[in-house]
Amino acid sequence: AQSVTQLGSHVSVSEGALVLLRCNYSSSVPPYLFWYVQYPNQGLQLLLKYTSAATLVKGINGFEAEFKKSETSFHLTKPSAHMSDAAEYFCAVRDYTGGFKTIFGAGTRLFVKA
Amino acid sequence: DGGITQSPKYLFRKEGQNVTLSCEQNLNHDAMYWYRQDPGQGLRLIYYSQIVNDFQKGDIAEGYSVSREKKESFPLTVTSAQKNPTAFYLCASSTRVDYNEQFFGPGTRLTVL
Repeated sequence: AQSVTQLGSHVSVSEGALVLLRCNYSSSVPPYLFWYVQYPNQGLQLLLKYTSAATLVKGINGFEAEFKKSETSFHLTKPSAHMSDAAEYFCAVRDYTGGFKTIFGAGTRLFVKA
Repeated sequence: DGGITQSPKYLFRKEGQNVTLSCEQNLNHDAMYWYRQDPGQGLRLIYYSQIVNDFQKGDIAEGYSVSREKKESFPLTVTSAQKNPTAFYLCASSTRVDYNEQFFGPGTRLTVL
């Protein structure tokens, strides 16, 4: 069965610093992986997705993620944090047990300090 | 503009009352989903539907019911049997293609007094 683990429920960075949010997945088949962002009291918005094309995936707002099969990881990065990046981030993997479902990680809340 | 609408944004109900949350999409998506979000617990799947007139239980279906009479609509009823209904509820939709993402509505925050 597919699963997703996000390391760190809270991450704090200074404005202008590197953002690194960690995600490890478990999948018996080549996975489809996603990163979503959620601002307070809003729905989730897709940042980027991996669909087995390029291993380095670029998304919106300057974010990117690298798929590393050997490490079963799909970490999200951004070179320079902005105050507007403060939000909760969810890593997700497609569930192949049926129903076109998606399995979400528990989320990582990103704090950006001025 | 295509998208998903959920109404109302905030909902207050007395304990013991059933309440129905609305979800409508105009993206022509076949699949629709309901999630519950509690602080620190991520998203938990309540029900999902792959096609009209068909739906399946998710991980936490007890105390909830749904219907899918139209492709555009997937209302969720929170019944009095749900022990702890106060939460943020998110509706989503997707195409029936594996690599495509889910699109989310803005959510409904339900508070049971």
